[in-house]
Amino acid sequence: GQSLEQPSEVTAVEGAIVQINCTYQTSGFYGLSWYQQHDGGAPTFLSYNALDGLEETGRFSSFLSRSDSYGYLLLQELQMKDSASYFCAVRASGGSYIPTFGRGTSLIVHP
Amino acid sequence: GAVVSQHPSWVICKSGTSVKIECRSLDFQATTMFWYRQFPKQSLMLMATSNEGSKATYEQGVEKDKFLINHASLTLSTLTVTSAHPEDSSFYICSANHPGTGAEKLFFGSGTQLSVL
Repeated sequence: GQSLEQPSEVTAVEGAIVQINCTYQTSGFYGLSWYQQHDGGAPTFLSYNALDGLEETGRFSSFLSRSDSYGYLLLQELQMKDSASYFCAVRASGGSYIPTFGRGTSLIVHP
Repeated sequence: GAVVSQHPSWVICKSGTSVKIECRSLDFQATTMFWYRQFPKQSLMLMATSNEGSKATYEQGVEKDKFLINHASLTLSTLTVTSAHPEDSSFYICSANHPGTGAEKLFFGSGTQLSVL
């Protein structure tokens, strides 16, 4: 099976930088994805890492180390609207994409 | 970007009744859709994989007679919660892959909050 670990909650102030870590155990690993979900809303795709290294998309970056089964999401220049839950997800083994999600990290941004 | 529409966004029903939730891919064809259940402040738990033209694949512990899935066309999957009970109250959400954006990127519907009285 698959399992993912990420912190349950992270708090930070506007303008700061925050890192949300994710460690995973899975067979047939293809890549690590990150999603953002505001309360009551739908998850939205943020990033995907299949290879080791850092992927940057605007204020958000995502990192993967396959050898360490570890990744993180880095959020820079935090804004109040970044307050949301962030989920890491891994693709299970098999032909179709059947993602397994972590429990989510609630990010609270204070003014 | 790709749009997945889910309806209704919320529903309140009496115990023992059935509720149908629709998930539509609006601008692409989805041969596979995924149904999730989410409790407050919890993860997205995969319930089943809906396959167009064939039977759904249910995750372990999910009752297929309780949660009926029909994927009759390339743009529509439905989840019917049969004989709903208060313990079925939850947030149900569907997702799909867009064929042009890769298997790693899921597009989610807006979710359905089900409350069973």
